This record gives sequence, C-alpha cells and structure tokens, in this order.
Amino acid sequence: DQQVKQNSPSLSVQEGRISILNCDYTNSMFDYFLWYKKYPAEGPTFLISISSIKDKNEDGRFTVFLNKSAKHLSLHIVPSQPGDSAVYFCAARWNYGQNFVFGPGTRLSVLP
Amino acid sequence: DTEVTQTPKHLVMGMTNKKSLKCEQHMGHRAMYWYKQKAKKPPELMFVYSYEKLSINESVPSRFSPECPNSSLLNLHLHALQPEDSALYLCASSHPGLLQETQYFGPGTRLLVL
Repeated sequence: DQQVKQNSPSLSVQEGRISILNCDYTNSMFDYFLWYKKYPAEGPTFLISISSIKDKNEDGRFTVFLNKSAKHLSLHIVPSQPGDSAVYFCAARWNYGQNFVFGPGTRLSVLP
Repeated sequence: DTEVTQTPKHLVMGMTNKKSLKCEQHMGHRAMYWYKQKAKKPPELMFVYSYEKLSINESVPSRFSPECPNSSLLNLHLHALQPEDSALYLCASSHPGLLQETQYFGPGTRLLVL
C-alpha cells in the first residue's frame, strides 16, 4: 500500500509554460515533504521542501504548495525549461524521524 | 560542498561473490542512508545510521550487511546475492534532528548479480 502517491506517471509541457506535479499522501504522521529531481544514471537531487506547518514555499522558479486537510502537495515550475526534463520524486518524512518514503515519480518532459 | 561520493559506479558479481559498496561524505552529516532503487520504481529505504549507530533496518535480508566505520563513511557488504538484488544502490546523508532535514544523495552504484 503506497503511502506517497504520484498518480501521473508522465507529464508533457511546452517550454515557458507552467508545470504542475502532484503528490498525495495517506499518513498524517508525515511532517516534512521534499521534492527531488532525478536524471538517468544519477542520484536524486534535492529541489525544494516544505514543513507541515507551512502551506507554501518558494525558491526561484519552484514553488511547493501543501494542503494538509487534503493530504496533497504540488510542485509548480514556472517558466518550464527543457533542462527541467527529468523524473520528479515526492518524498515524505515520518514523524520527525529518519524514515523517508518516496512516491513512484513523475516523468516531466518540457518540449522546446 | 554538498557531495556524496559512491564507489564503484558499476559492479557485476556472481551469486557466490563477496563485494562491498562504499559511500563517503564530508558535509559533517551524522545520518547516513542506504536505498535500493529498481528500474521505474522509487528509492526504497534499506538502512539508516544515526551518529554511527544503526537506527533503522527495513527488514533487509542478511546477505546485505551495513557498516559505518566513522561519521564520514558508510559501507554495504554484499554476500551470496540473488539476481533479483540487481538494482541501483543509493547512499544519502543528512543532519539528523533538523526540523527541515534534507537528504543529499550520491550518484549510486549500479549492481548486476549474475
């Protein structure tokens, strides 16, 4: 039973437009959420995170929104660039510990 | 410096071999992790060391044996693996206990068990 879900396996977006990647979780004990980007044959690279006490965090072109009541978070990338094409993983930390659970990933393709 | 290094990058081993994966970080992090990632799947947590002590073992078979010789190094000893153990093995590190604890990942070791 997946505790962190990314229901869109893939997403295609035109360069310059907004990319929205979604993530849902089932366990209310998750207290901290992260987004990672992964290129083939490389390890995941940290992008942006959000604590469960916040509802928005912004860093340059990347913004993460958290809706605790819906157990939903989203990553907005604007404007999207071809170099953003990668697999994006949502991850959640369980109860302030060191147990991080990853979603299955969404493959983003930004078309020039 | 946010680099986590892993060696080797690729490893091919037979089911009777003994080999080790190595991971190193110099960010002063006191938590280190091993993950296993199969193709088109998310990373799955295997082990966590916190302050050089094993704090999480996610019911990993004993043919995988982790070791944390010091705060900068993490090893994964492999013995009598099965072909289904073929995967990308990722190491990560973080500052334990931070409210906003971020894991930094290495590039991984791609393991093939024949």
